[in-house]
Amino acid sequence: EVQLLESGGGLVQPGGSLRLSCAVSGFTISTSAMTWVRQAPGKGLEWVSSLSGGGGDSYYADSVKGRFTISRGNSENTLHLQMNSLRAEDTAVYYCVKVPLVGQLSYYYYGLGVWGQGTAVTVSS
Amino acid sequence: QIVVTQEPSLTVSPGGTVTLTCGSNTGAVTSGNFPNWIQQKPGQPPRALIYTTVNKHSWTPARFSGSLLGGKAALTLSGVQPEDEAEYFCLLYYGGALVFGGGTKLTVL
Repeated sequence: EVQLLESGGGLVQPGGSLRLSCAVSGFTISTSAMTWVRQAPGKGLEWVSSLSGGGGDSYYADSVKGRFTISRGNSENTLHLQMNSLRAEDTAVYYCVKVPLVGQLSYYYYGLGVWGQGTAVTVSS
Repeated sequence: QIVVTQEPSLTVSPGGTVTLTCGSNTGAVTSGNFPNWIQQKPGQPPRALIYTTVNKHSWTPARFSGSLLGGKAALTLSGVQPEDEAEYFCLLYYGGALVFGGGTKLTVL
């Protein structure tokens, strides 16, 4: 069974940093494309970043480009999101999402499969 | 700026059929936008229903189906159940970026 468990959220001051992690089980993260999605309080969903399967190609929303970095730790089967220069508008629940396979392929633009439960990030002084 | 549009709200009777749509200000939505549909109930994380226009996940009830309709992506619920009351988001791909629609609140009444 595929499972995703996010951690690392919390309260941080504007300009600060946080590193989110997503521990996965039931599949090998090294070959799967993965995505982070966030949801601000009372708002809709926003795509944040994606990482291609296998290779190291990464993709970012304009709102986080240059501040956030997505990566995977293959040995620990974990996805990370390093968030720097945080702003109040980054306050949200952050979800880790596995990209579905189409055949044997996993491209980030295929979209969204299994979601984690989310981890809350609050940026406030 | 890319804007993905959805009906803000829809109401359907139990057992009825309803179609939610997902449009784009850039033109017709095609299979190349790899439309996805996501369901979210209050207080719960989102749950994916449809990916790459028509494909269902193993957990997606058979009454949900995805398609392209009149230049938009569409999610059709046939034989609506009370537990289908939720917010539904579509997601489209635009060459390097993924963009969500604003969501449709579906009321089953």
